Amino acid sequence: KAGVTQTPRYLIKTRGQQVTLSCSPISGHRSVSWYQQTPGQGLQFLFEYFSETQRNKGNFPGRFSGRQFSNSRSEMNVSTLELGDSALYLCASSGDSKVETQYFGPGTRLLVL
Amino acid sequence: KNEVEQSPQNLTAQEGEFITINCSYSVGISALHWLQQHPGGGIVSLFMLSSGKKKHGRLIATINIQEKHSSLHITASHPRDSAVYICAVWAGSYQLTFGKGTKLSVIP
Repeated sequence: KAGVTQTPRYLIKTRGQQVTLSCSPISGHRSVSWYQQTPGQGLQFLFEYFSETQRNKGNFPGRFSGRQFSNSRSEMNVSTLELGDSALYLCASSGDSKVETQYFGPGTRLLVL
Repeated sequence: KNEVEQSPQNLTAQEGEFITINCSYSVGISALHWLQQHPGGGIVSLFMLSSGKKKHGRLIATINIQEKHSSLHITASHPRDSAVYICAVWAGSYQLTFGKGTKLSVIP
């Protein structure tokens, strides 16, 4: 089975722009979670989707949003980028995220200038 | 609020040494993950456990639910074990809460 894939792998944007990141889960997985990793805060939960429904959201501003499609692929969007949004964005998939092993993608490294 | 604390933050070991990384958390949990992250960012799930002990090769993970504590042990450490090890917990909602990680360097 192919692993979790994320595109793009690297991205450079300027302040005020918006960005969309994509995540394709392992075939058959219906849950996709998104995380932000920064040197200062470590890994933080953004949101989780299951069968196109957002089941939980972390403590991030409304500029961070996401969605999931019927094929379980997921996108996250960050609008009005700020310098502090520079981070590694990781997605992970599982059959059902409640107490199940999560499989992580390679991440998208975003740099905001 | 669930806090996840790891110790030590940094660890340097000689090849062959026995290594222990500790994780403590503040609330009841459903399960705990040990994750490994190599330079470059990729994260691999090593163990998920909710009780007792699990072993995979040279890696052993234990959890004590009553004491809210877990340990990851590496026997006969090797330079390829050099990575950041992250503890994460499921605390009843559809999200993981992470520790800050332990950076392990194993010197030949």
